[in-house]
Amino acid sequence: QKEVEQNSGPLSVPEGAIASLNCTYSDRGSQSFFWYRQYSGKSPELIMFIYSNGDKEDGRFTAQLNKASQYVSLLIRDSQPSDSATYLCAVVYSNSGYALNFGKGTSLLVTP
Amino acid sequence: GAGVSQTPSNKVTEKGKYVELRCDPISGHTALYWYRQSLGQGPEFLIYFQGTGAADDSGLPNDRFFAVRPEGSVSTLKIQRTERGDSAVYLCASSAQSGRYTEAFFGQGTRLTVV
Repeated sequence: QKEVEQNSGPLSVPEGAIASLNCTYSDRGSQSFFWYRQYSGKSPELIMFIYSNGDKEDGRFTAQLNKASQYVSLLIRDSQPSDSATYLCAVVYSNSGYALNFGKGTSLLVTP
Repeated sequence: GAGVSQTPSNKVTEKGKYVELRCDPISGHTALYWYRQSLGQGPEFLIYFQGTGAADDSGLPNDRFFAVRPEGSVSTLKIQRTERGDSAVYLCASSAQSGRYTEAFFGQGTRLTVV
């Protein structure tokens, strides 16, 4: 069974630190990877997507993809209390059309 | 509209009843997705529409669940003979294309409670 795995946390980091969120996936043929942020009681919102091995940077966020090891990570630099949320990793499997397959999410708490 | 709109925002129903949940996608978006999210879990894929047709319904848990999108815009998720295990937040998302880059925009969800 194909899976997307995330540590549920909570991950607690002090304000200004780097938060590192990790995700592994089982479908080796997956090509598209996404990070969504979800505040409590709200709907998920897209932060970043990545398709190619390596790093992709957007402001304070960096997504890292390693297809050989089947993991994707999200780094948040200069973490702010407003970054406190659940971060969802989503993968489009190789033979499942365009549906996003989500992990359970990692809860991040940035403490002042 | 400006975003994906879902109605109702909350629905409480008795076990065994029939419910309909509505999703109005972003104007012009051809792809529409239904997910459901239980507490502490990530969204679980249910069904995906491209235009009027269901391109992938592999996530529907059983034949009590059905969804339609007759004119390629608004979609309705229908649940027959509801069970307490159906209680969850039902999320709808839409995207402008169904290519490799599937930036899906989510609605605020319908919280369904089956009592």
